[in-house]
Amino acid sequence: KQEVTQIPAALSVPEGENLVLNCSFTDSAIYNLQWFRQDPGKGLTSLLLIQSSQREQTSGRLNASLDKSSGRSTLYIAASQPGDSATYLCAVSHYSGGGADGLTFGKGTHLIIQP
Amino acid sequence: DAGITQSPRHKVTETGTPVTLRCHQTENHRYMYWYRQDPGHGLRLIHYSYGVKDTDKGEVSDGYSVSRSKTEDFLLTLESATSSQTSVYFCAISDPTAGQETQYFGPGTRLLVL
Repeated sequence: KQEVTQIPAALSVPEGENLVLNCSFTDSAIYNLQWFRQDPGKGLTSLLLIQSSQREQTSGRLNASLDKSSGRSTLYIAASQPGDSATYLCAVSHYSGGGADGLTFGKGTHLIIQP
Repeated sequence: DAGITQSPRHKVTETGTPVTLRCHQTENHRYMYWYRQDPGHGLRLIHYSYGVKDTDKGEVSDGYSVSRSKTEDFLLTLESATSSQTSVYFCAISDPTAGQETQYFGPGTRLLVL
């Protein structure tokens, strides 16, 4: 059974810092990996998707890397802003038929950016 | 934002009653998913569908059934609701056969079973 772990569970940093969120998974035979953010009481917003054959993806100030063989991914946030405060979730999928069979999620990193 | 709506957005019901949640999409995506989110457990897959009338179970499928009679709608039914099914339910869509691997999530339904 796939298990996804996110470290740290919570993080509070001053505005402007660069930071790294970590995600690890136990079964390296993944189809893809997604990073999401979730604001309190809201749904999930997709940030980045990395296919199993890729090493990294970038979107604006966000960069996600994937090391499938070691079962690790990191989300790098550059020049953090108070608006980045949210819970960040990592999730992996496996291949089934023509696509993904659903995501297995970590419990998230609760991020607070202090103004 | 992906065109996904969930109804109802909030519901309070009593133990033993049947409940149906609806997910509606306007994106014509082939895959649809139901997840639940609980404190301490995070998000977990209940059921998913890879086409009309094609469904499969997820990690926490006991006590739930699903139906997909047309591409745009995916229904989740709690045949006899229990207090342990109090949760926030999210629907998601994707279409890997069309190159849309990313799963997009709906706004969620908050269900309270008394």
